[in-house]
Order: sequence, then C-alpha cells, then structure tokens
Amino acid sequence: EDQVTQSPEALRLQEGESSSLNCSYTVSGLRGLFWYRQDPGKGPEFLFTLYSAGEEKEKERLKATLTKKESFLHITAPKPEESATYLCAVRRGSYIPTFGRGTSLIVHP
Amino acid sequence: DAGVIQSPRHEVTEMGQEVTLRCKPISGHNSLFWYRQTMMRGLELLIYFNNNVPIDDSGMPEDRFSAKMPNASFSTLKIQPSEPRDSAVYFCASTPQGANNYEQYFGPGTRLTVT
Repeated sequence: EDQVTQSPEALRLQEGESSSLNCSYTVSGLRGLFWYRQDPGKGPEFLFTLYSAGEEKEKERLKATLTKKESFLHITAPKPEESATYLCAVRRGSYIPTFGRGTSLIVHP
Repeated sequence: DAGVIQSPRHEVTEMGQEVTLRCKPISGHNSLFWYRQTMMRGLELLIYFNNNVPIDDSGMPEDRFSAKMPNASFSTLKIQPSEPRDSAVYFCASTPQGANNYEQYFGPGTRLTVT
C-alpha cells in the first residue's frame, strides 16, 4: 500500500527564516510526486510535479527536490503570505494519487 | 477560465436527509475526481471518472454514497441518507487530457455539516 508521510505537521517561521518541509513516501514504481498548496477555505493549488530522483523544480521562493525515498520543499526567505498547508501526493500506474496529511506553515511578520 | 465550479459552497442538513453536491470541471479536462477532507483523515479520494466513466470507486465509504457523471461538464455526488460522520469538506478536481500531465485542478469545495 502506498504511504506518504509529511513532517513536520506544523511549522512556525519568522519572515525571512528559510526552512524545508519533508515528504517521505513508500510506493513501488513511482510515476510522479506532487506538491500542492492549500489556503484556508480553499481547494489545493498545484505547485510542482517531480518524476525522477535528482529532479528539482523552482517557483519563486519555493524549490522542490526528489530522492528515491523522499521529497523536500525548500522555502527561501518566506513571507507571511506564504502561510498555508502544503500537501504532498504520490502516484503510481493510474491517475489515482495518495495524499499526505500536509504541513501547516505559519510565517510570522 | 472559470476553474472547477462546485455548488453549493456550504450545506447544512439534518441526519437522514439526502444531500447532492455538484461539480463542473474545467472545459476540456477528461478526468474528474471527488475527494473528502477531514481533520482526522486528511484528503481521501472517493471516486475517479475518466471520460465520464467511473474507473475506481473503491474510496466510496458505503452504499449511501453514489456519484454520477452524465456528461463531460457535470458530475454529482449524492449521500442518502446522510449521517453526522459525513460532515467534511468535499472537493471536486479535474485533470487535463495528456499522458504526462497529472496535475489536478481543485474546486473551492463544499463544506457539509450534518446535524
């Protein structure tokens, strides 16, 4: 059974304090790892797809990396508006993804 | 593009009543997903349609839940009869056609409260 574990469950940062969120996964035949951002009261918003170990993608102050066992979402010098829950999901074979429980990020001004 | 549209945004009903949630996917997307999100269980996939055909409904909790997709632009999720444990936020998501494009576009969700 596919498993996705995100850590930490919650993270509080000061504005400008860089950090990383972790997504550990157990899946045979990974066909994609996805990062989403979810703001309170809204649906998840797609950020990145990573397909193979060693791959990296960047978007503004976010950078996602992938190894054979985990993915990291690095946030550089975060701003309060980047406070949200960040979700990780994995997919194998079919379209059906398995989501982690998410990391709730709060960035204080 | 208007994005994925869901209605209603909020629904409060009494136990035993029928509830129907509605979704309009993004035009041109050929896959549609219904999810349920709770604090306890996170985001759970309920059912997945491809080209209007249900492909996997193994996440549907029990026979009280049913979903239909009569055409490419409309889907419903029905709960009959509803129970308090069905209280959750229900999301609909769609995916564009293409072998290498699996990103999902989520709607704003329907917050269901069953009293």
